[in-house]
Amino acid sequence: GAVVSQHPSWVICKSGTSVKIECRSLDFQATTMFWYRQFPKQSLMLMATSNEGSKATYEQGVEKDKFLINHASLTLSTLTVTSAHPEDSSFYICSARVGIGTEAFFGQGTRLTVV
Amino acid sequence: GQQVMQIPQYQHVQEGEDFTTYCNSSTTLSNIQWYKQRPGGHPVFLIQLVKSGEVKKQKRLTFQFGEAKKNSSLHITATQTTDVGTYFCALATSGTYKYIFGTGTRLKVLA
Repeated sequence: GAVVSQHPSWVICKSGTSVKIECRSLDFQATTMFWYRQFPKQSLMLMATSNEGSKATYEQGVEKDKFLINHASLTLSTLTVTSAHPEDSSFYICSARVGIGTEAFFGQGTRLTVV
Repeated sequence: GQQVMQIPQYQHVQEGEDFTTYCNSSTTLSNIQWYKQRPGGHPVFLIQLVKSGEVKKQKRLTFQFGEAKKNSSLHITATQTTDVGTYFCALATSGTYKYIFGTGTRLKVLA
């Protein structure tokens, strides 16, 4: 199947700093990518839909000013957690689809710890 | 964010026993996908169901889509230790391109 690469796989940052997470589709073009957040032993919560060349669509309750999403090209989307706080510590996963109604390919995930 | 209930939340079975997880939606679905996530890993696609009443099999796994396209089930026959993980359904409603994940069922297989 298609490969989605997410970087970094883990990061520890100080409270108040910003962290950028990259999501790349390595062998296909993804006009749409999705960002999820997963707490331990819980499900994946959709945060936002990242659209190439346009603004991201955020789910209800997700602060767009805190979680900045940029989909600069057909193969790259970034999520920046701004002014991170300990409660932002979580597992963040991106996914991409080749087209509507097709299977999603997931990145390896990024474990963010804010101290 | 929106979530979909899966039951059971947890299931411990002896190796060789069968296992079933159910996914229910209050709205009619366009299609449904199933994923498996191993501990510490990321979700991996298993299958997609599109047609009403559809049944698909993958070796020991059987997937069903309800006649009303509002529910689905995943059944594993004769579980093995390699089946350990959390199984998620992911739902897409008509007219949308995003998938909402179910709450997941965590399966533990005891050898």
